[in-house]
Order: sequence, then structure tokens, then C-alpha cells
Amino acid sequence: QKEVEQNSGPLSVPEGAIASLNCTYSDRGSQSFFWYRQYSGKSPELIMFIYSNGDKEDGRFTAQLNKASQYVSLLIRDSQPSDSATYLCAVTGLTGGGNKLTFGTGTQLKVEL
Amino acid sequence: ETGVTQTPRHLVMGMTNKKSLKCEQHLGHNAMYWYKQSAKKPLELMFVYNFKEQTENNSVPSRFSPECPNSSHLFLHLHTLQPEDSALYLCASSQDSGSGGVSYEQYFGPGTRLTVT
Repeated sequence: QKEVEQNSGPLSVPEGAIASLNCTYSDRGSQSFFWYRQYSGKSPELIMFIYSNGDKEDGRFTAQLNKASQYVSLLIRDSQPSDSATYLCAVTGLTGGGNKLTFGTGTQLKVEL
Repeated sequence: ETGVTQTPRHLVMGMTNKKSLKCEQHLGHNAMYWYKQSAKKPLELMFVYNFKEQTENNSVPSRFSPECPNSSHLFLHLHTLQPEDSALYLCASSQDSGSGGVSYEQYFGPGTRLTVT
């Protein structure tokens, strides 16, 4: 069983729509959750992090965490072509100490004009 | 710019060469990391250093040798690599999160694209 799972996509949404990206994780003790954006040929760029159940909003981005169901999602409102990238979910758990991030394979998002 | 720099950005080396990757962070962090990113695979954590001490070695082959002389600098020494080691090598830094609780976010450098011929 993969520790962090994401649908590889591509997920295609029209410009202006809401993009919904999902991630599930296997370690029930996981405590910190991160979303990174990675453009082709570039390094990952931190978008958001969330620690507590519920929603956390930052501009057009909302992270949602449900620890009971072991999933975390990222919503992008008013999607723009510049949002087209691969979105990586990362999780830290109880094993390996607090610095050890486990990444999913990422979901490719395409925002179409 | 994230405050984490890496050199070189691109590297082509033969299987018998020895080379080093360099990472420097200007964020005042005390934890640094090496990751490997291969096509179609998740980012793989290779090494973790907290306050210059190595705290994680994720079963990495000995042909990869890390060095952390201080909290701002991190090196990855490479020797007798294999073609399957060709990948993007990423350095990251964060505040040290300790042994439990929530974790601080990690910031990545631009990476070194390594090709082993």
C-alpha cells in the first residue's frame, strides 16, 4: 500500500472553474500536511500547509483536512492557465521524526482556455 | 527565489567520475535535506541533517556521500554512479521539527539535473 496516494491525472478544468485535488495517506498518526506545486523542469514550490481538521484558506487556495478519513485536498478557485502544473501532496507521520516528508506522485492539472 | 541555492544546475558525468553537488540556504534554518526525483516516481528522501548531524539515511547506496559542515551548507559527493542514478537532485531546508508534533515546511532549491553516461 502506497503511503501517500494521488491520482496522477491529468485533471483538466476550464479557466475560471474550481480545481479539486485529492490525496489520501496511510499513516493514521500523520500530523502535518503540505501541498507543493511543481512546474515542468522546476523544483517544488510550497503552496500551503495544514495541521488541523477543517479548512484553511489562502487567496484562491483552500486546503481541507479530514484525519478520520485520512485525506487531504486542495481546492483552487478561479483556475488560471498559470495554475497548470503538477501538485504534490506531502505528509509527515510519527515514524522517522518530524522532519521526514513522504510525497505522493503528484496530480497533473491542466487549466484550459 | 526560495533562499535555497544549488550548484551546479546541470551535471553530466561518467560512471568513473567523482563530482559534488552543493547546496546553501540563506533562511536561518537548521535542518537540511537531499531528495532524489526520478520520472514517474515520488520524491525520495535521501538524507536529513539537523544541526549538522545526520539523522536520516534512507538506505542510500554508499556511492552517495553527504557532508554538512554547518547549518547553512550541504554537499552530496558522488562517485562511481550508475546510469539509473540520473535524476533531479533537490536540496531543501526547514526549521528543525524535532522528534514529534507538527512539522515545519520545507523549502526547495532549484535542483541539479544529473545525467550519468
